[in-house]
Amino acid sequence: AQSVAQPEDQVNVAEGNPLTVKCTYSVSGNPYLFWYVQYPNRGLQFLLKYITGDNLVKGSYGFEAEFNKSQTSFHLKKPSALVSDSALYFCAVKSGGYNKLIFGAGTRLAVHP
Amino acid sequence: DTAVSQTPKYLVTQMGNDKSIKCEQNLGHDTMYWYKQDSKKFLKIMFSYNNKELIINETVPNRFSPKSPDKAHLNLHINSLELGDSAVYFCASSRGTGGDNSPLHFGNGTRLTVT
Repeated sequence: AQSVAQPEDQVNVAEGNPLTVKCTYSVSGNPYLFWYVQYPNRGLQFLLKYITGDNLVKGSYGFEAEFNKSQTSFHLKKPSALVSDSALYFCAVKSGGYNKLIFGAGTRLAVHP
Repeated sequence: DTAVSQTPKYLVTQMGNDKSIKCEQNLGHDTMYWYKQDSKKFLKIMFSYNNKELIINETVPNRFSPKSPDKAHLNLHINSLELGDSAVYFCASSRGTGGDNSPLHFGNGTRLTVT
């Protein structure tokens, strides 16, 4: 069965510093991986996805993610964090032929001024 | 213009009642979904419809019944509400059925509280 794990409940970063939100996956077959962000009282918003090709995927709001097949990881990164990046981040993997996403438990990112 | 809109935003009701949540998308997408987010923010898919046909039906109590009158609408009816049904329910839509791995567009959620 497809699954993703987000090992950190919360990540704290100072504004201007680089940030990393971790995600590891377990899949049978090719992994189709996604990152979504959820702001308070809002639905999830798509950030980026890895389907195939370059291991470094660029997405919205300056975020990027690095696919690492040997470590089965898909960590989300940003070179310089903003206070407005503070939110809940979800990693997800596609399961099956339909667009069924299995989400991780979420990581709360807190960026401090 | 809201792309995926859900009503109501908040729903407070008593155990045993029947309630519905409505969802509409104006993105022209073919596929719509219902997800449930519990108090620990864990998200789990419940149902998915493609062009009014049910394509994903997870292990959900049969008190939950989705209905899709057309591809732009997906409603969720819940019978005999229980305390454990309290959660935030998110509607989402996507282009296609998944073969193109198109992203999901989420509504802002309906917070259901059962007392």
